[in-house]
Amino acid sequence: GAVVSQHPSRVICKSGTSVKIECRSLDFQATTMFWYRQFPKQSLMLMATSNEGSKATYEQGVEKDKFLINHASLTLSTLTVTSAHPEDSSFYICSATGRGANQPQHFGDGTRLSIL
Amino acid sequence: SQKIEQNSEALNIQEGKTATLTCNYTNYSPAYLQWYRQDPGRGPVFLLLIRENEKEKRKERLKVTFDTTLKQSLFHITASQPADSATYLCAPGGDSSYKLIFGSGTRLLVRP
Repeated sequence: GAVVSQHPSRVICKSGTSVKIECRSLDFQATTMFWYRQFPKQSLMLMATSNEGSKATYEQGVEKDKFLINHASLTLSTLTVTSAHPEDSSFYICSATGRGANQPQHFGDGTRLSIL
Repeated sequence: SQKIEQNSEALNIQEGKTATLTCNYTNYSPAYLQWYRQDPGRGPVFLLLIRENEKEKRKERLKVTFDTTLKQSLFHITASQPADSATYLCAPGGDSSYKLIFGSGTRLLVRP
């Protein structure tokens, strides 16, 4: 149980393109979803917290207009990297957690984004 | 600011031995602490959660301790196997946002 599917797994696109990444919880209702960015051999950096039906809460230094997050249902959250540039190239990972405290986060397998 | 420290050097051990990984935190009083495993190019996988009122938690060959006085958690893998080779992340948490703060992870290499 507790499977999170992230799609696509890999994206290569030109500078200036907008890229949408989907995160779905397949067998549970995800009241909260998180979006992370990870650089090689570094830790997961939280970008934003997303609760179903409300606006995402962004971490300090993360541009809201650059990284658009939508959490329209209890099983789907999307991250759109708008007008992507080479410096946006990274590994983006989502996670989802159920209702209540002390819940583990269940992670997708990440999206490798490469902007040329 | 909150800081999570894990040994950045890889831990290299012989199969069958016990691996012990350390997680220290400062400027933080987490209500619980979670440990995850991450393989290259994959998302982390949840392993164990230990609450602040628990000293020790076990799951099969895994054992986690949580010392709120030392602000430290130890993660043990007994009878280690090459398949245990991965990066292990600690993540304290416990505020109302359910956010976790991840350490940078320690890479474990188990030699056959």
